[in-house]
Amino acid sequence: AQTVTQSQPEMSVQEAETVTLSCTYDTSESDYYLFWYKQPPSRQMILVIRQEAYKQQNATENRFSVNFQKAAKSFSLKISDSQLGDAAMYFCAYRSVRTGTASKLTFGTGTRLQVTL
Amino acid sequence: GAGVSQSPRYKVAKRGQDVALRCDPISGHVSLFWYQQALGQGPEFLTYFQNEAQLDKSGLPSDRFFAERPEGSVSTLKIQRTQQEDSAVYLCASSLAGSQRFEQYFGPGTRLTVT
Repeated sequence: AQTVTQSQPEMSVQEAETVTLSCTYDTSESDYYLFWYKQPPSRQMILVIRQEAYKQQNATENRFSVNFQKAAKSFSLKISDSQLGDAAMYFCAYRSVRTGTASKLTFGTGTRLQVTL
Repeated sequence: GAGVSQSPRYKVAKRGQDVALRCDPISGHVSLFWYQQALGQGPEFLTYFQNEAQLDKSGLPSDRFFAERPEGSVSTLKIQRTQQEDSAVYLCASSLAGSQRFEQYFGPGTRLTVT
């Protein structure tokens, strides 16, 4: 079974600065998807960025980018030019691509990001 | 362009009561997932539907949990004889198809509190 570990329960960043959230995972599969989701307080989970394991190039979405290290099974999220609206819980998630699996997501325990003025 | 909706948003149940949680997926979405998110934790998979077929229910914690999607659109998660450990946010997600490459869109969740 796959596991996802987020070792930083809370992080804080000043507005306009850069912060990196860590995620490691364990799997025996060679192909899979990795995701970062954002969950603002009392609001629904939204997808921030996704990475396909067979792609060597790190994914980027505007101010969000990842550092995907497949051999180390590491998948960190970098948020540049942090904004107050970035404050939320961030979840790292894994999804298998094996045929017959339910496409279910396996989540880490989350990192709460605070953005200060 | 409505997203995934869930009702009720909040539910308080006395221990032993039965509850039913509803999920309305995005129109046309074939796949539907239920997750349970305990306080301070990440969501955990409960069950998966492709159209009306429940293809995976490996995450349901006990036989008190039952889910259905009879017409392949709206889904209901039912919990019988609720226990305090059932207190959590129940998230529903839908995706366009069963292929793993399609994004899952989440609803706002139902927060269940069992007293």
